[in-house]
Amino acid sequence: EIVMTQSPATLSVSPGERATLSCRASQSINSNLAWYQQKPGQAPRLLIFGASTRATGIPARFSGSGSGTEFTLTISSLQSEDFAVYYCQQYNKWPPLTFGGGTKVEIK
Amino acid sequence: QVQLQGSGPGLVKPSETLSLTCTVSDDSIITGFYWAWIRQPPGKGLEWIGSVYHRGSTYYNPSLKSRVTISVDTSKNQFSLKLTSVTAADTALYYCARSVTEGWFGPWGQGMLVTVSS
Repeated sequence: EIVMTQSPATLSVSPGERATLSCRASQSINSNLAWYQQKPGQAPRLLIFGASTRATGIPARFSGSGSGTEFTLTISSLQSEDFAVYYCQQYNKWPPLTFGGGTKVEIK
Repeated sequence: QVQLQGSGPGLVKPSETLSLTCTVSDDSIITGFYWAWIRQPPGKGLEWIGSVYHRGSTYYNPSLKSRVTISVDTSKNQFSLKLTSVTAADTALYYCARSVTEGWFGPWGQGMLVTVSS
């Protein structure tokens, strides 16, 4: 099973600032990585797939990068609606499909 | 855009079977997608339970495989989850979601809280 590790667990950021979230895979997953955003009381929403391709309707301030075992989600200028929990997920080798433990982006 | 609506009991007794159904709003259930169940214990992260293809092939999380059955009913635009011998550890929000062949998920249903308690 491929283990996904996200850091930090919590990220405190001021509105308008840049947020950088990390995701590490226990073995190479090429670019087979997705990112999701989950707000309180809501289902997760797909942000990024293929490590760097934004899903339909996702604002350009969200960008993904990386390949192999190290990945980054960057939110260039945090808006109030971006404070949420973010999960990465690998789909390179499954079953099982596996998620990281999440990073909570909170208001500083 | 396709919508997914889950349904099923919110309370299940220990040792019994959890049964949930997800209804897909259009005929995309018979196109080239997988249909998945994912759960999230309260305050915790996401765990993939398994996926089914419209032709019936299934893939399960090895950690749950012995207790899980996922099936699809294309005539009703529905897919279902059965989880047997539940314990308190199975208490979670259960999500249904569409999955592309590669394995990412979107869109997701609204989530159903299932509590295992006597």
